[in-house]
Amino acid sequence: GQNIDQPTEMTATEGAIVQINCTYQTSGFNGLFWYQQHAGEAPTFLSYNVLDGLEEKGRFSSFLSRSKGYSYLLLKELQMKDSASYLCAVSGFKSSASKIIFGSGTRLSIRP
Amino acid sequence: GAVVSQHPSWVICKSGTSVKIECRSLDFQATTMFWYRQFPKQSLMLMATSNEGSKATYEQGVEKDKFLINHASLTLSTLTVTSAHPEDSSFYICSARELGQGNNEQFFGPGTRLTVL
Repeated sequence: GQNIDQPTEMTATEGAIVQINCTYQTSGFNGLFWYQQHAGEAPTFLSYNVLDGLEEKGRFSSFLSRSKGYSYLLLKELQMKDSASYLCAVSGFKSSASKIIFGSGTRLSIRP
Repeated sequence: GAVVSQHPSWVICKSGTSVKIECRSLDFQATTMFWYRQFPKQSLMLMATSNEGSKATYEQGVEKDKFLINHASLTLSTLTVTSAHPEDSSFYICSARELGQGNNEQFFGPGTRLTVL
């Protein structure tokens, strides 16, 4: 079956670093996405990994290990506006190459 | 670029009525559009995949006769919730994949909040 796991909630302090982990077991794989979603809004794209390794984009970095079925999103220099849900999503299923399935999301709370 | 719009942004209707939600790609052609539903404090659940000019592919457990999807052009897909009931109240989000795009990235619309009384 298909399974994408990530922690339900996390809390971190403004200015600190936080790592959100995601593990997946899927019928196919053609890339892993991270999205940010503020309450009541649509998700916004953060990163895409298809090869193993670390992709850095400003304060956000995303890592992928395909052999381990594992990814993480690293947020540095946390700001209050980073309080949001972070969604791990996988694409490339045997039933549909373009379909994306989302994990349950991690609600990140930033405290002053 | 890569903007997706949805209309309406919110709708309140009486139980038993039908509601149509439009999803448009404004500055690109979308071969495939996706419809998601999100309940409070939950993640996005894929309902169906919509391909231009062909029938939609529904995920397991989603009633195709209740959630009618029409993808009439490369820039427009519609979702009609037929005979809506209070349990259909949810946040409906569409996304679109650009023609020829290689990385499977989807661009999301702003969502439609449906409340059924």
